[in-house]
Amino acid sequence: NAGVTQTPKFRILKIGQSMTLQCTQDMNHNYMYWYRQDPGMGLKLIYYSVGAGITDKGEVPNGYNVSRSTTEDFPLRLELAAPSQTSVYFCASSLDSRAFFGQGTRLTVV
Amino acid sequence: GDSVTQMEGPVTLSEEAFLTINCTYTATGYPSLFWYVQYPGEGLQLLLKATKADDKGSNKGFEATYRKETTSFHLEKGSVQVSDSAVYFCALRNSGGSNYKLTFGKGTLLTVNP
Repeated sequence: NAGVTQTPKFRILKIGQSMTLQCTQDMNHNYMYWYRQDPGMGLKLIYYSVGAGITDKGEVPNGYNVSRSTTEDFPLRLELAAPSQTSVYFCASSLDSRAFFGQGTRLTVV
Repeated sequence: GDSVTQMEGPVTLSEEAFLTINCTYTATGYPSLFWYVQYPGEGLQLLLKATKADDKGSNKGFEATYRKETTSFHLEKGSVQVSDSAVYFCALRNSGGSNYKLTFGKGTLLTVNP
C-alpha cells in the first residue's frame, strides 16, 4: 500500500551542487507531477507528465529537469542548485481527477 | 489561464465553532473542484471534490458546493475539532485537451484551540 514514495525526505545542498529527487508510484497512474511549496505561496507546478516518455513544463520549470522512462518513476533533477530552490518539493500522481501526494522532500540550498 | 483564489489565513477558531473558508476560481470550460488538506509534516490529501455545477462534496463533516454562477467552492464545517488544525487548499483541474493539471490556491492555515 505504498502509493507515492519520495526520497530523500530532507537534504542540504551547497550552491552549485546537483541532485536528483526520486519519486515512484505503484498505482499505475499515467499522470505525474512535481510541485514546490514555498511558505505562504501554495503549490507551484514545476513539471508534469501524462505518460511514459512525455513531459511538459509547468509554471516554474527553470533550473529543473525531469524524465519519465517508466510509468512508475518521475525523477526531478537540479543541475546547479541555487538558494532560490530552497523549498519543499512534492511529487503527485493521478489516474483521473484525484491526485495522490508523496510526503515531500525538504531541500535547503546554502 | 486558470487560477484559484482562497481566503487568506491564518484562521484561528475555538473548538465547536463554525468554519468557512472562501474559494473562488477562474477557468475556461468546466473544471472539477477540490479541497485538499495538509496536516503538519505530511503531504496533501484529498478532502472532497465536486465535478459539476451544483454538486456538493462532503467528507468528515466538511462540505463544499460547486457554484458555477458565482465561480465559488467555499469549504464549511458546522463544528470544528482540534484535530482539524491543518492547511487547506482549494484546487481545480481543467481537463481541456489532454493535460490534466491541478491548479492550487495559496492555502489557508486553520488552527483550532480547545
